[in-house]
This record gives sequence, C-alpha cells and structure tokens, in this order.
Amino acid sequence: SQELEQSPQSLIVQEGKNLTINCTSSKTLYGLYWYKQKYGEGLIFLMMLQKGGEEKSHEKITAKLDEKKQQSSLHITASQPSHAGIYLCGADRGSTLGRLYFGRGTQLTVWP
Amino acid sequence: DAGVIQSPRHEVTEMGQEVTLRCKPISGHDYLFWYRQTMMRGLELLIYFNNNVPIDDSGMPEDRFSAKMPNASFSTLKIQPSEPRDSAVYFCASSPRMRGNTEAFFGQGTRLTVV
Repeated sequence: SQELEQSPQSLIVQEGKNLTINCTSSKTLYGLYWYKQKYGEGLIFLMMLQKGGEEKSHEKITAKLDEKKQQSSLHITASQPSHAGIYLCGADRGSTLGRLYFGRGTQLTVWP
Repeated sequence: DAGVIQSPRHEVTEMGQEVTLRCKPISGHDYLFWYRQTMMRGLELLIYFNNNVPIDDSGMPEDRFSAKMPNASFSTLKIQPSEPRDSAVYFCASSPRMRGNTEAFFGQGTRLTVV
C-alpha cells in the first residue's frame, strides 16, 4: 500500500511558470528526501529535509517540511524545460531498518 | 568515481528463464539497496545490504527472487524462474551511511521485460 501520497500525479506547465508538488504522509517522518528522475534513467538526489519547518533551496527549487513533519512541498520558480521529469519523495520513518518509502511520483512537463 | 553501475541496461527474456541483474556500488559505500519500479506500485525497496550482509529482505516478493553481495564491490539480483509480472525497472543504489544528511546514489536501472 502507498503510505506516501504525492500530488498531483502529473503537471503540465508553460516555461516560466511557478509550480508546487506536494508529498503527504499519514505518519511523522524522520526525514524526507526529494529525487528527480528522467525517463530511462536513475534517480538524482535533490534535497533532504529532517527538521520540522525546515526549508532548503537549490537554484530555482525550494523544498519545505512542515512543523509536524508529515507534509513536504517542492516549489519550482520560473520553470524551464530542463526541470521536466518525474519528481519522487522518499520518506524515512526512523525505524531501525531505516528503509525509504517512496511516493508514486509526479510527472512534470514544461513546454516552451 | 563512475557512480553506481548496473548491467545490463535492458533485458528481454522468456517466461521461465533465469535472469541475473548486476550492480557495482560506489567504492566506500557501506549500504546497497535493490529497488523495483512499476507503474502500478511505484518504487519499492526489495532488499538492502550493510557491509555485504543482507539486513532487510522483507520487500522481496517471492522465493523466486534472491540477492547476493559476495564482496563490497558487487551485488546480484536473481529471478528464477522469471514471470511476465516481474517486468519492471530494477534499480540499485548505494549509500555511505544509512541515515543522516546522506542520500542514496542510484544507478541507471535495468529495464526487464519478461515475455
């Protein structure tokens, strides 16, 4: 079963527009990871959030983790075609096994 | 470092055949993960190793699946016999630590098609 919900499932935006992808967990998280995947390729690490209320930015991508550590958002400012791909969030629940649970991903298309 | 290397990139096999997927983690990484990605179930952890020892294999779907890590630089995921529902992209990832401000580095994946 999917314990991590991502929304939307897909997103089509015009170049230059801002967008937000959400990741919600029913349980408190130890850590939240954001990855990007291009078709036919592996996952590229973007950011990791661990503290409630934490916010990190890399170039035009900003990720936030809410205070309760159950929801994260990924915001892209002034999107470009290079931002296109599948964005996945991965949750570390802090169990001794330390496994990551991934959402289904959000397919982002940016058209010129 | 060349990153996590997986082979083959693509594999097409007939139902019932044995399939072996290979992975070379990044040198110095203590953790190795095998994931499977499908449209239906997304990205699922199958098994992971710490210092070549399997720690959690609860994600391995059936006894037809087995994974080994004979040394720090090589791991295999074997499916015997393969079935059409095993068709998916299989990723290997490695990490220097399990938790903290450290991410897992993923290989390019092996796209498996079982006909």
